[in-house]
Amino acid sequence: DGGITQSPKYLFRKEGQNVTLSCEQNLNHDAMYWYRQDPGQGLRLIYYSQIVNDFQKGDIAEGYSVSREKKESFPLTVTSAQKNPTAFYLCASSPQTGPSGDYGYTFGSGTRLTVV
Amino acid sequence: KQEVTQIPAALSVPEGENLVLNCSFTDSAIYNLQWFRQDPGKGLTSLLLIQSSQREQTSGRLNASLDKSSGRSTLYIAASQPGDSATYLCAVTGFQKLVFGTGTRLLVSP
Repeated sequence: DGGITQSPKYLFRKEGQNVTLSCEQNLNHDAMYWYRQDPGQGLRLIYYSQIVNDFQKGDIAEGYSVSREKKESFPLTVTSAQKNPTAFYLCASSPQTGPSGDYGYTFGSGTRLTVV
Repeated sequence: KQEVTQIPAALSVPEGENLVLNCSFTDSAIYNLQWFRQDPGKGLTSLLLIQSSQREQTSGRLNASLDKSSGRSTLYIAASQPGDSATYLCAVTGFQKLVFGTGTRLLVSP
């Protein structure tokens, strides 16, 4: 079955630590995205990538970093500079970006990050 | 900046009722609109995708309409069931971005 796998499901971070969230897709999608979900605020875009070795900041990129070395993988690092990292993180992918074609977004099952 | 609003924020109904969930957006220059379902602590499951050239999409008991000129979409759920209980999110796609509403939390009682 094609899909998006996020790991781990739960992650605990100590103050001052960097942690990395994994996102892998086997859908052969070009574009990948990271969203953060907080109660009552909806989903907000952190970073996105349209092709390998290229990525752009979303609306709330401060304190986060990403890489896109392989088409299938788009890991997110939550750095110590992110002051309020406790949230639910969702990874998504889509076949292409742009106005043409029939495309939609597929989401993973999420990683819940808690600062302890 | 695109803003997406969903009304109502929460809805509680008895089993069997027909429901309408509303979604409005401020910028009509969208590529498509997608409705998702989210169960507590889970990821998003895509329900329906309406491209900007389309007016509606149907899947089983679900029907979604899109009126770009007025910036509105509705999700119609026929004959609701307890298994429909979840949060429903609409999202609009602009250039390289998917912008979400804050969702409607639905509870269907047996």
